[in-house]
Amino acid sequence: KNEVEQSPQNLTAQEGEFITINCSYSVGISALHWLQQHPGGGIVSLFMLSSGKKKHGRLIATINIQEKHSSLHITASHPRDSAVYICAVDGNQFYFGTGTSLTVIP
Amino acid sequence: DAGVIQSPRHEVTEMGQEVTLRCKPISGHDYLFWYRQTMMRGLELLIYFNNNVPIDDSGMPEDRFSAKMPNASFSTLKIQPSEPRDSAVYFCASRRTGNTIYFGEGSWLTVV
Repeated sequence: KNEVEQSPQNLTAQEGEFITINCSYSVGISALHWLQQHPGGGIVSLFMLSSGKKKHGRLIATINIQEKHSSLHITASHPRDSAVYICAVDGNQFYFGTGTSLTVIP
Repeated sequence: DAGVIQSPRHEVTEMGQEVTLRCKPISGHDYLFWYRQTMMRGLELLIYFNNNVPIDDSGMPEDRFSAKMPNASFSTLKIQPSEPRDSAVYFCASRRTGNTIYFGEGSWLTVV
């Protein structure tokens, strides 16, 4: 049983496209995190949110607590956005989604 | 701030050898986590500490794995004896209660 489900698993987009990655969870949480991992690289926290919406540059994260759903949007995607994006929820421990592998083609 | 510091970054060892991975969390953080990442299973929590005390080690695969946190600025994850199936990236992460989590760059372990 996966406490956190992400979709899609893999995503290929043309540079400039608007991208959405979805995350649904089944446990009670205090916060949700979006993480980014570049190939062969470490893991960086992009957002931590517990309600509403946050924006950082071209990245936007939203969460609907009632529906237990979050989305990560990337506007005007760029090849450097190519990475694995991981949704993690902060319950009594961290639960991780399996990640969405994004490739942005020039 | 230097971030979460892990060592070694890469290690190749022979089956049966002892492996020790090290982590220095961010100063002031009260939680420390050890994760393992593989292609097959993604990120798995092995163990986490709160104020240097192990809270949940249910993710530790078996008795070959052990973790310690002797003080607030240092933790080790030990595998003895190592096996090829232990090959993975091991991440250490830390956080202050209620705040975001910070990951180290990972220790890439290959057991041959």
